[in-house]
Order: sequence, then structure tokens, then C-alpha cells
Amino acid sequence: AQSVSQHNHHVILSEAASLELGCNYSYGGTVNLFWYVQYPGQHLQLLLKYFSGDPLVKGIKGFEAEFIKSKFSFNLRKPSVQWSDTAEYFCAVKAGRGSYIPTFGRGTSLIVHP
Amino acid sequence: GAGVSQSPRYKVAKRGQDVALRCDPISGHVSLFWYQQALGQGPEFLTYFQNEAQLDKSGLPSDRFFAERPEGSVSTLKIQRTQQEDSAVYLCASSVKSFGGGLYNEQFFGPGTRLTVL
Repeated sequence: AQSVSQHNHHVILSEAASLELGCNYSYGGTVNLFWYVQYPGQHLQLLLKYFSGDPLVKGIKGFEAEFIKSKFSFNLRKPSVQWSDTAEYFCAVKAGRGSYIPTFGRGTSLIVHP
Repeated sequence: GAGVSQSPRYKVAKRGQDVALRCDPISGHVSLFWYQQALGQGPEFLTYFQNEAQLDKSGLPSDRFFAERPEGSVSTLKIQRTQQEDSAVYLCASSVKSFGGGLYNEQFFGPGTRLTVL
């Protein structure tokens, strides 16, 4: 079974600071990787995903993530955060072909001060 | 169109009480998932439906948990004889297709039902 580790549980930044949230997974086979975001009072929604191809994935709102297979990592980045990025961020991994059950990390709470 | 809706949004139950949580998926979505999210944790898979068929219930924590989707649309998660450890947010998600072959199929999440068992 796969597992997901998000090392930063709480991150506090000022606007315009750069962001990197760590995500490591344990699974030896082909994986599909996701980052979800939950803004205060809103539904969980997909930020970006990796299935195959270019390991640098670009998502909505200026976010990107890089899949490094050798490090079993899928870190989320944004060069300059905004106050509106304040949210809970969840990394998830799904075993490849034929699997439909994602395993989520415990989440990282990001607070951006204006 | 409307997204996934869940009701009630909040439920307080006394220990031992039975509860029923409802999920209205996006119209026409074939797949439906239930997740449990404990405080400070990520969502954990409970069960999966493809239309009215419950194809996977491996995540249900005990036989007190029961889910159904009799007509392939609305789903109900029932918890019998609730315990304090059942306190969590219960999330429902739906996706347009059935799963298989590694094809990407985005899940759309509802707002969740926060269950508190006293």
C-alpha cells in the first residue's frame, strides 16, 4: 500500500514570498500524483496532477509541481504567494493503471499575511 | 451546473445514535466515493460506487458503517450506534466516468458533513 508524507504541517508566509511544500510518497510502481487545495469554507478542489510525460506540471493560479521519481517526491511550488492562497493543501498519490483510490497526505495549512 | 452537495452540513449525535448522511453527486456522474477526514488528517477512502453497484467497501472501518446508492444517483452513508471515534468530516466525491485502465478521471468533492458524536 502507498503512503504520503507532507512534512510541513503549518506554513506562514508574507505576500510575495516564494512557496515550496514538500510531498514524499512510498510506492514502487507507476503512480499518479495530485495536489488538492481547500480554501476556507470551500470544497476540496484539484490544483494540479501528474500522470505521465513532462515531470514539471503547471496548475491553476500559478502553482507548479515537479515529479522527481528518484526521490519519490512531488513538491508544490509558487514563486510569489498572495493572501488569497491561504488554504489547506493536500498531496495525494494513486497507484497507476487500474487504481481508483487515492491516498492523501495529512495536509499543510498555509497562511499568507498581507 | 450544480456541484456535489451533501446534507446535513453539520450533525451532532449522541453516542449510540444512528445517523444518515446524504450525497447528491453531479448529475450523470457514474462514480461516487465516500471519504472520512479526521481532524488534522487527509481524507481516507471508505467506499466506491459505480452507478448503483458498490464495487469497493474495503475502507469502511466497521460493520456499523453502511452505504447505498440504490438508483445510481443519490447516495447515503449510514452509521449505526455511533461512537466518539466516528467524529469526522465525511466527504463525498463524484466523477463522470467509471474507473479503469489508468485513465484520468477527476473527482469533484462536496462540502462534507461534519459529524460530532458526544
